[in-house]
Amino acid sequence: DTGVSQNPRHKITKRGQNVTFRCDPISEHNRLYWYRQTLGQGPEFLTYFQNEAQLEKSRLLSDRFSAERPKGSFSTLEIQRTEQGDSAMYLCASSYRQGTGYTFGSGTRLTVV
Amino acid sequence: DQQVKQNSPSLSVQEGRISILNCDYTNSMFDYFLWYKKYPAEGPTFLISISSIKDKNEDGRFTVFLNKSAKHLSLHIVPSQPGDSAVYFCAASSAGGTSYGKLTFGQGTILTVHP
Repeated sequence: DTGVSQNPRHKITKRGQNVTFRCDPISEHNRLYWYRQTLGQGPEFLTYFQNEAQLEKSRLLSDRFSAERPKGSFSTLEIQRTEQGDSAMYLCASSYRQGTGYTFGSGTRLTVV
Repeated sequence: DQQVKQNSPSLSVQEGRISILNCDYTNSMFDYFLWYKKYPAEGPTFLISISSIKDKNEDGRFTVFLNKSAKHLSLHIVPSQPGDSAVYFCAASSAGGTSYGKLTFGQGTILTVHP
């Protein structure tokens, strides 16, 4: 069990560019979540997968954001036409069931300049 | 609409004393509560959880108390150690439907334990 892995750890991009983050969950976990955390706030839910199905998307997830989880394994989060307001820590978590092994990765810190 | 609130942005305690972190929630559908600890540049680390069918759960130095009628929970750390210095987040979830497992977090409380 190597935990939840997120890549890259840091990403600096120019406004208007597209970025993609990857999350590799704990192998036996069938649920995968994306959260966003800005300074001074707690993580905010973005979207959730059970296996390969995307079951819920937050209103925070604008049309510029898209997430996939092909084959129910790793997941990618893409942000198109990045804006300065997208600068945040993007966290991935996985779980087997509610309250059990709900584990976060170390996050990807995005800075849009 | 802040459904989970941690009203104390920071808390400072002396090593060996008790740390009490508080959390209030407004959504009566929440039935599972978790506390996470976070160091800078790392993801949140799970500490302890409690189901709404209980009012107390204990794990070593950490105890979580739940008062459903007041929609309030607290995390007690006894004795506090300098290594406990971190940001502590309270989180809540509700079972059922497609929100199963989604967590709603408070804003966090920065705990500083002085030697």
